[in-house]
Amino acid sequence: AQKVTQAQTEISVVEKEDVTLDCVYETRDTTYYLFWYKQPPSGELVFLIRRNSFDEQNEISGRYSWNFQKSTSSFNFTITASQVVDSAVYFCALNYDLDSNYQLIWGAGTKLIIKP
Amino acid sequence: EPEVTQTPSHQVTQMGQEVILRCVPISNHLYFYWYRQILGQKVEFLVSFYNNEISEKSEIFDDQFSVERPDGSNFTLKIRSTKLEDSAMYFCASQLGLAGAYEQYFGPGTRLTVT
Repeated sequence: AQKVTQAQTEISVVEKEDVTLDCVYETRDTTYYLFWYKQPPSGELVFLIRRNSFDEQNEISGRYSWNFQKSTSSFNFTITASQVVDSAVYFCALNYDLDSNYQLIWGAGTKLIIKP
Repeated sequence: EPEVTQTPSHQVTQMGQEVILRCVPISNHLYFYWYRQILGQKVEFLVSFYNNEISEKSEIFDDQFSVERPDGSNFTLKIRSTKLEDSAMYFCASQLGLAGAYEQYFGPGTRLTVT
């Protein structure tokens, strides 16, 4: 079965702290893609990153970094020096190519609150 | 930068009424999706659409739902007889190519409120 688990329902930190959002996925497929999306209070879904299953290199984009570990089926997201504008719900999602299945499988989301 | 648009941004309807949610995908994209998100919950897949037909649909997408792309630009989701539990945010997405190799671009969503 394909599944994405985001065990942290809500995280609250003070501005400038580092914070890591966890994502654990399950899939039987060897080719798959992992995504992170941000949903600010305004409600839209903002794409952050896509990773394919053959690329285990960690990625850094400004204050954002992602740690992909196939051995633990995890794709964690770290925000360094958090800011109030980072407050949002963050979703991890999985997409796979088997059987022409095109849908995104979503985690439940982690609500991140950054306090000034 | 091209974007997916959705109208209306908010729709209020009475139970039992039909609603049509509209989406204009990015013009050269080939794959189209509808997702919904009940308030405070996860995003759920409804249906995917390619080459003018449904590719896949979830259990949520029952006979009350339909999709079409009538004019090659708009992509619509129709709910024939709305129920209270259809109240949710509905997101349209479009994708240039196949599956996860390409990003799905999301519209801003339509908030549907069924009273």
